[in-house]
This record gives sequence, C-alpha cells and structure tokens, in this order.
Amino acid sequence: DADVTQTPRNRITKTGKRIMLECSQTKGHDRMYWYRQDPGLGLRLIYYSFDVKDINKGEISDGYSVSRQAQAKFSLSLESAIPNQTALYFCATSDAIGYTFGSGTRLTVV
Amino acid sequence: EDQVTQSPEALRLQEGESSSLNCSYTVSGLRGLFWYRQDPGKGPEFLFTLYSAGEEKEKERLKATLTKKESFLHITAPKPEDSATYLCAVQALGATNKLIFGTGTLLAVQP
Repeated sequence: DADVTQTPRNRITKTGKRIMLECSQTKGHDRMYWYRQDPGLGLRLIYYSFDVKDINKGEISDGYSVSRQAQAKFSLSLESAIPNQTALYFCATSDAIGYTFGSGTRLTVV
Repeated sequence: EDQVTQSPEALRLQEGESSSLNCSYTVSGLRGLFWYRQDPGKGPEFLFTLYSAGEEKEKERLKATLTKKESFLHITAPKPEDSATYLCAVQALGATNKLIFGTGTLLAVQP
C-alpha cells in the first residue's frame, strides 16, 4: 500500500457543487499538507496541519476548507466548486527528513 | 519574498548527452533545498535535500549541488527512463516545514 493515499484519483464536478478530497497516510507523521498544481504555476500550498488540533491557511486557501479527522487523515473540501479550481491536488506528509506526496487527485470543475 | 525559479522550462536530450538543470532561489534564510522527480499522473518523488553551500549529493546518474544562490541538478549520460519533470523547492528558516516550489523542468531523453 502507498504511504499516502488520495481518493478519488479523478473527479469531474459541476460548478456550485460541494466536493471533498480525502487523504490518508501510514507514515505516522503529524504534519500534513494540501497543495494544488497548475501548469506554469508549480505547486502551491492550500492548507497545512501540524497535528490534529493545529490547522493553518497556506497561500491560496480562499474557497477551500480542511478537516483533520485523525493523525492519519486530512481532507480538503471545496464548498462551492468553481471552474478555476480545476487542477491537480496533492496531499503530503512530512517529518524532519522530508516530504512524501500522494499520487494526486485530478479535479475538473465544469 | 521567497521565490524559486527553474530553468530551462523544458529540455530535450539524446541518450548519453549530459546536461544540467538550474534552480535559482531567493529566501530570507535557507533551511533546505529539495529536488523532486515527478512522472506524469504521479506525485513528486523525493530525490535530494541540500542544506548548505558547497554540499553535493549523488544518486545513480544524478548529482545535485548547492551554492548560496542556486542549485544544479547534473544528469550524466541520461537514459530514456530519466525523462520526467524535475522540481526544486526551498524551505526557509522559521517557515515551519512549508516548501516553496519552482515550476519545474520537463526533461525528455530520446533513445
């Protein structure tokens, strides 16, 4: 099994719909992150969490919310999806040595 | 503002043709510089972490070096399986583990 698992892998949704992307990790790390990747813009941080009770906004948090259900689970929600949220979304976890990324969720908002 | 710039955006090499990828960075204080490899449809895969100017690390055909302003990823005698996007990221001192990524270099190695 992968160290960081993201579901779904692909999703097409309509404008205005609520959608949740899920992430679970088996690394046992406290720190988890959500990034989005757009062509020409690189990976940008949406939200990060250093433990279950600590959640922080990243550089592009508007339009997103997160929930840290347990040490191993960190979900990202789009309350009302819009087309410019079409992107590749990555969850990651880290310790003092480095980051481990999931395989990503490709989200298309039509 | 902390910033990472990678060049070139894309690079096409013949198998066996060595080259280098560049990562220039501006950061208030560098905690670490990271290189990742990303294959299509997959998440970034960790390659190296460099912490101080003058440091070098190697893995198979890849060698990463670091100065106070930039890092290079040298690819020696590349093979088609080295084709991927290579991402550079920096972590600033006091940035509590947040990474700032460059936009990547898309490397294509032709047989």
